[in-house]
This record gives sequence, structure tokens and C-alpha cells, in this order.
Amino acid sequence: QSALTQPPSASGSPGHSVTISCTGTSSDVGHYIYVSWYQQHPGQAPRLMIYEFNKRPSGVPARFSGSKSGNTASLTVSGLQTEDEADYYCSSYAGNNTLVFGGGTKLTVL
Amino acid sequence: QVQLLESGGGVVQPGRSLRLSCAASGFTFRNYAMHWFRQPPGKGLEWVALISYDGNNQYYGDSVKGRFTISRDSSNNTLSLQMNSLRADDTAIYYCARARGVTRAHSDYWGHGTLVTVSP
Repeated sequence: QSALTQPPSASGSPGHSVTISCTGTSSDVGHYIYVSWYQQHPGQAPRLMIYEFNKRPSGVPARFSGSKSGNTASLTVSGLQTEDEADYYCSSYAGNNTLVFGGGTKLTVL
Repeated sequence: QVQLLESGGGVVQPGRSLRLSCAASGFTFRNYAMHWFRQPPGKGLEWVALISYDGNNQYYGDSVKGRFTISRDSSNNTLSLQMNSLRADDTAIYYCARARGVTRAHSDYWGHGTLVTVSP
């Protein structure tokens, strides 16, 4: 159960777009569609933003989108807003009913 | 509305045990698998354990396997995590979450967490 790799930080200006990557292996991200993204503001519980690599739960703005290619999944936030400033975590199904997380990316809206 | 409320956290000495609980409401608890996750202060999320909707199957992360036990009481809508042989690196906020999807790979509702501190 090795951790997925995310950049420690990302940034963008309001109204612009930013993409956060999440790199795993052929045993997790590369093998399954079951990649999720969570947003976490300081002192709060995580919030599900994307599941099954590109599906958005009801209530999540359409400017959040997900994609996957090979062993890398990506979260794109378009039309950045100040409230998007948070930590973002990817997770993937890793087989045998186990999950693995990335180390998290701190998104700063400049 | 769906609510998950963790309890049982606190300060415990290394080698001792602690039992966490998660009270569920606002949904049919017996129909859903449930996860425990944890987050050391200032660090990232880690999956801890998963229990099937009927309680018959349990799965664990490598770092807690053999020391932690996940269980559920669907008559009381309660999820539990029994933590034995605690170590300093078990110090974290522990979250319960409702599992969704065919593989239970994503969680749509999370509690606010309970802090466990393992310290002499």
C-alpha cells in the first residue's frame, strides 16, 4: 500500500485554472477507475469532490473535473475562486478491498 | 440529514488500548459499508479499515493490521474501532465515513473526527 504521489503545492489566480496530478502505479491508479478526490479546509473533515475519476457528486460545482491517463489521475479546477483554497487529496482503490491516498496538495488562490 | 459523530479519542500511553465509536444517523446504517480513516496532525490522510454492510468482512491497512479491529452494531447504528498496542505514530485525528460504490472506494459523508494522542 504505497502512497500516491501529488505535488505538495499548486497555485493559480482567481478566474484561472489549475491542475493537480496524482501518480500511482499499474496496481492502483493505472488499473482501476476508482480514483477519488477530496477537498479539505483547515480544521474541517474532507469533502468528496470527484469519484470514479471523473464523476461529480451532487452539489460539487461543475468547475471541478477529473481525468485519468495511465498511472496518473488529475483534478482540474477552472474559474478559480478564493474558497477553492484548500488541501486536496487523491485516493485510489488498490485491490483486495484496500485504498491508498496521495500525500496531499495545498492549493493557493493568489 | 446524514450525520456521523465520532467519540472516544483522548490521550493514551504507548502499548495501551483505546476504543473509538461512530454514531450514525440520517440513513439506513445497516445498508452501507463503513470506513475509518486517520490524519496525523499537519499531515495527510490514511485509510485505516473497512467493514462490509453486514459486518461479515473486515479489511485493514498494513500499518494497523493485527492491532486494530473494526466492528459494527447495526441495532444501535454504531461503528467501532478497537485499537490495541498503540504506538506514537498512531497519533492522529480519526474519521469515520460512509463507503460508496461497487468497490467502496469513495466516501460521501465523513464525521468531524476524534483526536487520539499516544504519548508517555
